[in-house]
Order: sequence, then structure tokens, then C-alpha cells
Amino acid sequence: KAGVTQTPRYLIKTRGQQVTLSCSPISGHRSVSWYQQTPGQGLQFLFEYFSETQRNKGNFPGRFSGRQFSNSRSEMNVSTLELGDSALYLCASSSSRVTTEAFFGQGTRLTVV
Amino acid sequence: GESVGLHLPTLSVQEGDNSIINCAYSNSASDYFIWYKQESGKGPQFIIDIRSNMDKRQGQRVTVLLNKTVKHLSLQIAATQPGDSAVYFCAENRSGGGNKLTFGTGTQLKVEL
Repeated sequence: KAGVTQTPRYLIKTRGQQVTLSCSPISGHRSVSWYQQTPGQGLQFLFEYFSETQRNKGNFPGRFSGRQFSNSRSEMNVSTLELGDSALYLCASSSSRVTTEAFFGQGTRLTVV
Repeated sequence: GESVGLHLPTLSVQEGDNSIINCAYSNSASDYFIWYKQESGKGPQFIIDIRSNMDKRQGQRVTVLLNKTVKHLSLQIAATQPGDSAVYFCAENRSGGGNKLTFGTGTQLKVEL
């Protein structure tokens, strides 16, 4: 069974640009969550999608958005990039709506210059 | 507010010894806990989980202990190996919270030969 796949693995963007990251969950998993990981703030929850609906949202500005497609694949978008958005963005998939184990992808390393 | 904290940022152990990584949480409503291992350049890897109706759970070479009275969680690794060197995170969630995880700051485990 394939794991969680995130693309691309690395990205370099310029301040002010926008970026879209993609996540394909484990087959059969319908919940996808996104996290930002930085040395200073650690792992912080961005949002969770289940069956194409955003179910939870963390404390991030509106520049961070996401969506989920009918095949459970998810994308997150960051608009008007800032230097502080440089981070490892991680996607986690879970099998069900109720609280259960979450499996992470390798992440997308975003560098904003 | 919600917080999950780790007692030690770095833990050094000799190969073959047992390792104990601790975690404190403050949200008494938390009822689901996960330990993750993260190696450099990789996403967090699920190790073991425990629900609040249990005090102890064992896996392969790992044991998680939960003390709800003092809101404390620990991960024990038996016969620590060089491949166990990584950063370990505890994460918490609560029923009704979907799959939104709150992570601790992480403990760097270093295995000395």
C-alpha cells in the first residue's frame, strides 16, 4: 500500500508569489491534514479536510488555504508569500472521521527568498 | 490553553540501554496520544498510540505509558539502537477534535556507540 505522497519535495519562491502544494493520501483514507514545521514554532496544525469539507482550522492567516478533491487528494495554497513562510509543509492522512492515527508524507520544503 | 511540552530537548543514551522520553500535556480533555519519530529530512513516522482508557500499550521494542492523574506520557524504547537516533514528538488529540493533532516541541535522541 503506497504511503502519503507530497509533491513537489522542494520549492523556492520569491516574496509576494503564491504556491500550491499537493498531497495524495493513503488509498482509502478520507481525512487529510496539513502542518507547518519550522525550527522556531515546531509542528503547527494548519487545517484538516474530510470528504471535501474543511473540518478544522488552525491559527494561520487567510493567506493559507486548502481544498480536497473527490478522490481525497488535497492541495494547500499560500498566497503573497512572506519570508517567514519558509518551512517544511507536511500532510497527514487518516482513515476515518473519528480521531485515529495519522500517517505523514515526506513533506514539501518551501524556501521563500 | 492547550499545550504539549517535552521535558528534555536532548537525550543521549548508550547503545543497548533503554531510553525514556517524557511528555507533559495540559489539556485534561485530551484522550488520544501518539508518538512520532522524525529522522532528518523525513516526515514524522508513526510509532505507537494510546487512548485515555488505557495506562500502557506495548509495541515492538516500544512501550507508551499514560498517567492521566498528572497528565504525563512517556515513550520507552528497549535496547536502543543507532537507528533509533531521531527527534521524537508526542502529539495529543481529543474526541470530537477530528484529526487535529497538537504536537510537543520534540526530544532529540542520540544513541552513542
